[in-house]
Amino acid sequence: DGGITQSPKYLFRKEGQNVTLSCEQNLNHDAMYWYRQDPGQGLRLIYYSQIVNDFQKGDIAEGYSVSREKKESFPLTVTSAQKNPTAFYLCASNPGQGVFFGNQPQHFGDGTRLSIL
Amino acid sequence: AQSVTQPDIHITVSEGASLELRCNYSYGATPYLFWYVQSPGQGLQLLLKYFSGDTLVQGIKGFEAEFKRSQSSFNLRKPSVHWSDAAEYFCAVGASPSGGYQKVTFGTGTKLQVIP
Repeated sequence: DGGITQSPKYLFRKEGQNVTLSCEQNLNHDAMYWYRQDPGQGLRLIYYSQIVNDFQKGDIAEGYSVSREKKESFPLTVTSAQKNPTAFYLCASNPGQGVFFGNQPQHFGDGTRLSIL
Repeated sequence: AQSVTQPDIHITVSEGASLELRCNYSYGATPYLFWYVQSPGQGLQLLLKYFSGDTLVQGIKGFEAEFKRSQSSFNLRKPSVHWSDAAEYFCAVGASPSGGYQKVTFGTGTKLQVIP
């Protein structure tokens, strides 16, 4: 079955450490997204990518970085500059075809929960 | 800029009772509207979507939602709730096209508790 795989499910970060969250999809989707979810705040967009080798900042990109070297993969790095990284991180994708791809329903992975050690 | 308000943070209903979750949006043009459901520790699953046409939209798991332009609302309903419906529900709005990425804005969610 096609879907989005996020790993690991739980991740712990030490002070000053960069950590990378994995997101892989086999849906053949062009567009991929990273969201941060905090209790009571809904989902906030960190980065999105419309196509391979291209990505754009979302609303809360500071302290995060991404790459999109392959269509299937969109890893997120939480850098030491992100002072409050504890959250639930969700990766999503949609077909992304055409101009209006932001309006297509998104498929979500099961998330990675990041905590500070 | 668009926004979404889910005024109820937490709702408790009895199993078998009807359910209505409220969602109000703010956007100048016709919005693209979604309802997603999230079980604990998992990602979001699409319940239904509204793009245009019939204002009453049917979704999965027996859910439906009605788009009311005059009230800027897109409330989610279910006639009879099952214990397995206990989850968090998110309303989301996507802006009409203006070139490039059309941002999807999520509400803050409503947690549904179902009691026997």
